[in-house]
Amino acid sequence: DGGITQSPKYLFRKEGQNVTLSCEQNLNHDAMYWYRQDPGQGLRLIYYSQIVNDFQKGDIAEGYSVSREKKESFPLTVTSAQKNPTAFYLCASSTSPREKLFFGSGTQLSVL
Amino acid sequence: GQNIDQPTEMTATEGAIVQINCTYQTSGFNGLFWYQQHAGEAPTFLSYNVLDGLEEKGRFSSFLSRSKGYSYLLLKELQMKDSASYLCAVRPTSGAGSYQLTFGKGTKLSVIP
Repeated sequence: DGGITQSPKYLFRKEGQNVTLSCEQNLNHDAMYWYRQDPGQGLRLIYYSQIVNDFQKGDIAEGYSVSREKKESFPLTVTSAQKNPTAFYLCASSTSPREKLFFGSGTQLSVL
Repeated sequence: GQNIDQPTEMTATEGAIVQINCTYQTSGFNGLFWYQQHAGEAPTFLSYNVLDGLEEKGRFSSFLSRSKGYSYLLLKELQMKDSASYLCAVRPTSGAGSYQLTFGKGTKLSVIP
């Protein structure tokens, strides 16, 4: 079955550490996205990619980095510059911006 | 700027009908999505409205009025499994910015027996 796979489900970060969240899709979608979800807040866009080897900053890109070397993969690195990283991170993909988003099951990141 | 308002929480009885409202003030408008999200899970697509009027899909319907900046999601014959958060999201433009959906904070619906 086609879908989006995020891993790990839970992740813990130590102070000063970079961590990478994985996102893989086999839906053959061109566009991929990373959202951050905090309790009581709407989803906020971190980065998005319209096509391989291209990505754009969203509303809250500071302290994060991404790469898009393959169509199927869009990993997100939470760097030590992100001072408040505890949140639920959702990866999504779509065929185009007019089409619905398909979401992964999310990664809960916490700080030790 | 972008602003989307939804009620924070709602409670309804199993078998009843509930309407979840969403109002928006955005720099442009090119479509409105509704998603359902169960706690700790991925949001799933419910509906997409780009023109005024009512779209019906089984027990769920979605309405849009672009002149009023208003949408609602109507859930009929409520079931316990409908207990979830319902997210309203607006696509502001049709250009490059169209990738940047603006989401509301979500409405947490509790269905009680």
